[in-house]
Amino acid sequence: SQQGEEDPQALSIQEGENATMNCSYKTSINNLQWYRQNSGRGLVHLILIRSNEREKHSGRLRVTLDTSKKSSSLLITASRAADTASYFCATDAGSSYKLIFGSGTRLLVRP
Amino acid sequence: EAGVTQFPSHSVIEKGQTVTLRCDPISGHDNLYWYRRVMGKEIKFLLHFVKESKQDESGMPNNRFLAERTGGTYSTLKVQPAELEDSGVYFCASSTWGLGEQYFGPGTRLTVT
Repeated sequence: SQQGEEDPQALSIQEGENATMNCSYKTSINNLQWYRQNSGRGLVHLILIRSNEREKHSGRLRVTLDTSKKSSSLLITASRAADTASYFCATDAGSSYKLIFGSGTRLLVRP
Repeated sequence: EAGVTQFPSHSVIEKGQTVTLRCDPISGHDNLYWYRRVMGKEIKFLLHFVKESKQDESGMPNNRFLAERTGGTYSTLKVQPAELEDSGVYFCASSTWGLGEQYFGPGTRLTVT
């Protein structure tokens, strides 16, 4: 079955640095979404990128999508301690509306 | 605009008991989804409603799980009887259209002892 896989599994950076997380998936998609989960809280939707888009920006977030490589990356620029969270990519399953989540990247931003 | 809400936030029950989780989607969202994350595993899809109709329940683990969405508004997910392996966080999400952004609630943490 299709599964998104993020790497790295964990990332520790200094405040102000950039953080890059990668996601790979296996089947064709309509779109790919990135979510953030703070400890013990729900999932917060960050950004959706469609299969015909290559790059998308939202504030300090930059998402790229390479459908030929079946991969996406999430870049957080000028990180802050408040960015500390787990980040997940999620893909639809082509014709199905359900989301397939990866195992997530745990980001720690040290003050 | 209120987000997706879930009740309760945390439930602790004994094996064999019944628990009912509730989800209130964002007003106007016809699509409602249930997901869960058990310890150490990925977030997994359980099922998808469009209004009151089940569109996809391929992720429901077994017949101990029953989801309903009477009237196409809020949804309930009942686990009866609960087993130890049902422990985890149950998320509800809603969207305006099937392939759009899905907005998640805070989740219900279920602990079966």
